[in-house]
Order: sequence, then structure tokens, then C-alpha cells
Amino acid sequence: EDQVTQSPEALRLQEGESSSLNCSYTVSGLRGLFWYRQDPGKGPEFLFTLYSAGEEKEKERLKATLTKKESFLHITAPKPEDSATYLCAVQDPDNAGNMLTFGGGTRLMVKP
Amino acid sequence: DAGITQSPRYKITETGRQVTLMCHQTWSHSYMFWYRQDLGHGLRLIYYSAAADITDKGEVPDGYVVSRSKTENFPLTLESATRSQTSVYFCATEDRASYEQYFGPGTRLTVT
Repeated sequence: EDQVTQSPEALRLQEGESSSLNCSYTVSGLRGLFWYRQDPGKGPEFLFTLYSAGEEKEKERLKATLTKKESFLHITAPKPEDSATYLCAVQDPDNAGNMLTFGGGTRLMVKP
Repeated sequence: DAGITQSPRYKITETGRQVTLMCHQTWSHSYMFWYRQDLGHGLRLIYYSAAADITDKGEVPDGYVVSRSKTENFPLTLESATRSQTSVYFCATEDRASYEQYFGPGTRLTVT
């Protein structure tokens, strides 16, 4: 059974204080690993897809990396508007229906 | 040009009533999904559809029915609502080229 674990569950940062969020996964096969941002009362917003170990993607203050067992979302010099819950999900080609298996999320709070 | 829309955004219903949640997409993506999001369980797949008239069960299908007569619409019906179906429901579509899934704004359903 596929499993995705995110840590920490919650993270408080001061504005400008860089940090990383972790996503550990166990799958029989990996088609892709996806990062989403979710604001309160809204649907998950797509951020990145990583397809193979060693791959990196960047967008503004965010950088996602992938190894064979985990992914990191690095946040450089965060701003209060980066406060949100960040979700990680994997897609296993052995699962029917292209189902995404999600982690529990990391709730990020950035204080000014 | 909204991508994915869901209606209603909020719904309160009584135990035993039938409720239908609507999902509409403008991208013509073949794959569509229904997820529910609950504290402690994260996002879980209810049903998915690979194309019009092709649907199948996900992880937590009991108590739900879906149909897909047109590519752009994917309604979810709770035939006899129960309190355990109180949740936030998200519809999603998938870009087959990248396997990226895009989520709607959600429907918050309360069953009293």
C-alpha cells in the first residue's frame, strides 16, 4: 500500500527565515510526485511535478527536490503570503484510476 | 474560462436526504475525480472517470453514486446522506500529458 508522510505537521517561521518541508513516500512505482498549496476554504493549487530522482523545480521562493524516498520543498526567505498548508501527493502507475495518494500536509505560518 | 467549477459551494442537508454535488470543467480533460477531505484523513479518492460513460470506484466509494454523460460534467450523488459524509468535497481533472491534477474550489457539505 502506498504511503505518504509529511513533516513537520506545522511550522512557524519568521519572515525571511528559510526552511524545508519533508515528504517521505513508499510506493511500488512512481509516476510522479506532486506538490500543492492549499489556502483555508480553497481547493489545492498545483505547484510542482517531479518525475524522477534528482529532479528539481523552482518557482519564486519555492524549490522542490526529489530522491528515491523523499521530496523536499525548500522555502527561501518566506513572506507572510506564503502561509498556507502544503500538500504532497504521489501517483503510482499500479493504482487504478490515476489516483493521487496524499500526505497529511504541513501547515506553514510565516510571521512578519 | 474558470477551469473547474463546483456547485453548490456550501450545503446543509438532513440525514437520509439525497444530495447531488455538481462539477463542471472547461478544459475537456478526459479524467475527472471526486475527493473528500477530512481532518485526520487528508484527501481521499471517492470515484473517478476516465471518459464519458466510464466511471470506477476509488478508495472510499460507499454511499456515493456518480455518472458522466458529458465530458465536461461529473456529478456526485449521495443517495441517502449520513453524518459521516459531512466533509469538504473536491472535484479534479487531470492533464494526461503531465498527469497533473487540478482541483476545484470545493463544496462544504454538512449532514445534520
